[in-house]
Amino acid sequence: GAGVSQSPSNKVTEKGKDVELRCDPISGHTALYWYRQRLGQGLEFLIYFQGNSAPDKSGLPSDRFSAERTGESVSTLTIQRTQQEDSAVYLCASSSSGATYTDTQYFGPGTRLTVL
Amino acid sequence: GDSVTQMEGPVTLSEEAFLTINCTYTATGYPSLFWYVQYPGEGLQLLLKATKADDKGSNKGFEATYRKETTSFHLEKGSVQVSDSAVYFCALRSGAGSYQLTFGKGTKLSVIP
Repeated sequence: GAGVSQSPSNKVTEKGKDVELRCDPISGHTALYWYRQRLGQGLEFLIYFQGNSAPDKSGLPSDRFSAERTGESVSTLTIQRTQQEDSAVYLCASSSSGATYTDTQYFGPGTRLTVL
Repeated sequence: GDSVTQMEGPVTLSEEAFLTINCTYTATGYPSLFWYVQYPGEGLQLLLKATKADDKGSNKGFEATYRKETTSFHLEKGSVQVSDSAVYFCALRSGAGSYQLTFGKGTKLSVIP
């Protein structure tokens, strides 16, 4: 596709349930990133993939959060036992290589997660 | 650690006014600097970037110059339009070994006719 896509666009869940958020990066992009944007805040980094390995998981807020990536394609962010403080917009981005810090990251439209 | 500080909004300007959104940063290494824009109901888009000192990024009439001596990357536009109404985010990516973007909190701009 032309850009990064994410699904679902909106997700409402009950506290304690598990959710899965999906990201399709730009074709050919080897690097993939997940961020979280809480209301009125900047973006917080969660995790970085290079291919299907995750060299940097430093931003994952707790062990309830996990992510995986299939090859250089789709990634899934899973949040187990959701809490109300998990409510946020989850953004995915991809870049062509990730290896250089001048790389441009291209963002998807995000998934708005609401935990009741 | 790395951090980005932006002027707090919201900022309201009349059409054709001059815009400045201040951004300063703290970083380890020699970062690349970015401005992203989020239009209402849309995702984040890269507006411009600069990768070394004294570089000027420009796009859509917006400009920002990488000032290493003042650790700043202020966004400017000479004449704003209603269509520029959006939230603007300053961000940096540090040098080798850093993969993430570090963002400021964003500045909401409203341009009125």
